[in-house]
Amino acid sequence: ILNVEQSPQSLHVQEGDSTNFTCSFPSSNFYALHWYRWETAKSPEALFVMTLNGDEKKKGRISATLNTKEGYSYLYIKGSQPEDSATYLCALGFQKLVFGTGTRLLVSP
Amino acid sequence: GAVVSQHPSWVICKSGTSVKIECRSLDFQATTMFWYRQFPKQSLMLMATSNEGSKATYEQGVEKDKFLINHASLTLSTLTVTSAHPEDSSFYICSASPPGGGVGQPQHFGDGTRLSIL
Repeated sequence: ILNVEQSPQSLHVQEGDSTNFTCSFPSSNFYALHWYRWETAKSPEALFVMTLNGDEKKKGRISATLNTKEGYSYLYIKGSQPEDSATYLCALGFQKLVFGTGTRLLVSP
Repeated sequence: GAVVSQHPSWVICKSGTSVKIECRSLDFQATTMFWYRQFPKQSLMLMATSNEGSKATYEQGVEKDKFLINHASLTLSTLTVTSAHPEDSSFYICSASPPGGGVGQPQHFGDGTRLSIL
């Protein structure tokens, strides 16, 4: 069974802090690594899909890196804002996704 | 673009009732859609793959007679929880993506359905 793990489980930071989360996965049979942001009562929003070892992607203050050989991806948020508060999910696969349990981020003003 | 709509957002019903959940792709055609569920403090787990014009494929441990999937058009898949019982109470969510996008394309999700069986 494919196991995708995320850490930490939850995180509480102050506005302006930078933060990062980890997604770990088996390095064999890799297709793609997805990051989603999921706010309460909304649908998960795609942030990045990463397919190549060494990939780095950036969207505003959020960026992600991928290491398929050692089986991990990092998501970074620079200068966290209250509107960044959400659960961040990573998932492995192509179309059919295997999800981690997510990292719940709370950013206080 | 690539919007997926799911309805209803929440359902509360009595044990033994059958509940239908709809998943629509609003601005693209989806030959394949995916149904997930999430129990408290667990991850989203794939239940089944809905295939337009053919039978759905179910993940191990998911009862196909319990969770009926119909994908009769290129924009609509329905999940019917038949004779629902309290243990079926969960969060159900669908996803789809426009065809031809390749391995680097994200899935687009509905808002999900919170199902509570009394």
